[in-house]
Amino acid sequence: ETGVTQTPRHLVMGMTNKKSLKCEQHLGHNAMYWYKQSAKKPLELMFVYSLEERVENNSVPSRFSPECPNSSHLFLHLHTLQPEDSALYLCASSQQERTGELFFGEGSRLTVL
Amino acid sequence: GENVEQHPSTLSVQEGDSAVIKCTYSDSASNYFPWYKQELGKGPQLIIDIRSNVGEKKDQRIAVTLNKTAKHFSLHITETQPEDSAVYFCAASKGGGADGLTFGKGTHLIIQP
Repeated sequence: ETGVTQTPRHLVMGMTNKKSLKCEQHLGHNAMYWYKQSAKKPLELMFVYSLEERVENNSVPSRFSPECPNSSHLFLHLHTLQPEDSALYLCASSQQERTGELFFGEGSRLTVL
Repeated sequence: GENVEQHPSTLSVQEGDSAVIKCTYSDSASNYFPWYKQELGKGPQLIIDIRSNVGEKKDQRIAVTLNKTAKHFSLHITETQPEDSAVYFCAASKGGGADGLTFGKGTHLIIQP
């Protein structure tokens, strides 16, 4: 138990569906992240929120839309995805200005048909 | 931007032997180098990190070495055990913290009984 909870753990969706991934952290951290993990590729940073403001958006297609309503919750809204978007989506949190350690959730495995 | 290369992609060792995973980085301004371990079905977890003001750091059976001149750093695991089987990721950043981390592609470490 890392203190970061992601739901759902598995999601299958068609290219025309709209779905959302949810992340909740119970660590009192002030920064939250979305990463994409694909086979044989490095972890790719998608979005960073610090104090609930988006501070980084790494050229992610607009079919991925993040939302951070408060410092404990992070969402990734998905619409009109492509099969190449199938991957493990990892949420992480950290307390900036401290050690720099990222605390990851167990991920949401997304399959786009 | 930063580029992190990690080798090997797969490493198989006999239980009790040592394992070494190597990473190189491209940006000489990088000053923080963490290693994460990802077990099957879980998110990555920080196991050890090193900052550019030290050359080596140990924590029980794991150690990390850093050569700033050559821009490479390595993870050493001694007396390997079955629970060491996992995927290991190296990373580098300039800010000394979690933001701006660039990850390697990962090494799948297999401990043979």
